[in-house]
Amino acid sequence: AQKVTQAQTEISVVEKEDVTLDCVYETRDTTYYLFWYKQPPSGELVFLIRRNSFDEQNEISGRYSWNFQKSTSSFNFTITASQVVDSAVYFCALNRGPGTASKLTFGTGTRLQVTL
Amino acid sequence: EAGVTQFPSHSVIEKGQTVTLRCDPISGHDNLYWYRRVMGKEIKFLLHFVKESKQDESGMPNNRFLAERTGGTYSTLKVQPAELEDSGVYFCASSYGLAATDTQYFGPGTRLTVL
Repeated sequence: AQKVTQAQTEISVVEKEDVTLDCVYETRDTTYYLFWYKQPPSGELVFLIRRNSFDEQNEISGRYSWNFQKSTSSFNFTITASQVVDSAVYFCALNRGPGTASKLTFGTGTRLQVTL
Repeated sequence: EAGVTQFPSHSVIEKGQTVTLRCDPISGHDNLYWYRRVMGKEIKFLLHFVKESKQDESGMPNNRFLAERTGGTYSTLKVQPAELEDSGVYFCASSYGLAATDTQYFGPGTRLTVL
């Protein structure tokens, strides 16, 4: 069975602070995919990143960066110099692969509140 | 290009009534998924269509839930009769191909409240 744990229920930071959202996963698959989605107040889930289990390189996209560590089964997400627009619920998710498309297993989400 | 759309955005019904949720996937996407988030919990998978066929319906809670995707385009999810525990946000997602690498794109969700 697959499982994703986001232990941080809610995080509150002041604008310009850096913040890291934790994600720990469990899977028996040797090949799998990890995702982060953002849910702003408008409600839709916005895709941020996909990472496959063979690629442990960290990724940076603007103020966002992701740290994938297979040894600790973690896929953490860091926002540098946070902004009020980053306020949202962030979900980490896991998908088995390869092969045919399949369901995502989500964590419970971390609500990030960025204040001025 | 239009994203995944869902209708209605909100629905408030009484226990025992019927509700039908609709999802229009991104044009050309063969895969369509339904997920549900009950308050404060994780988003849970309900089922997966490939075109008009049900590929995986292991997450459907019980036989009060009926999903269809006639013609392989839009999908409906009917809850009949609705119970209090059915309240939550129902998300629809779609992806292009049959590879596990294909990203699922989500709609804004339908917030269902059963009183």
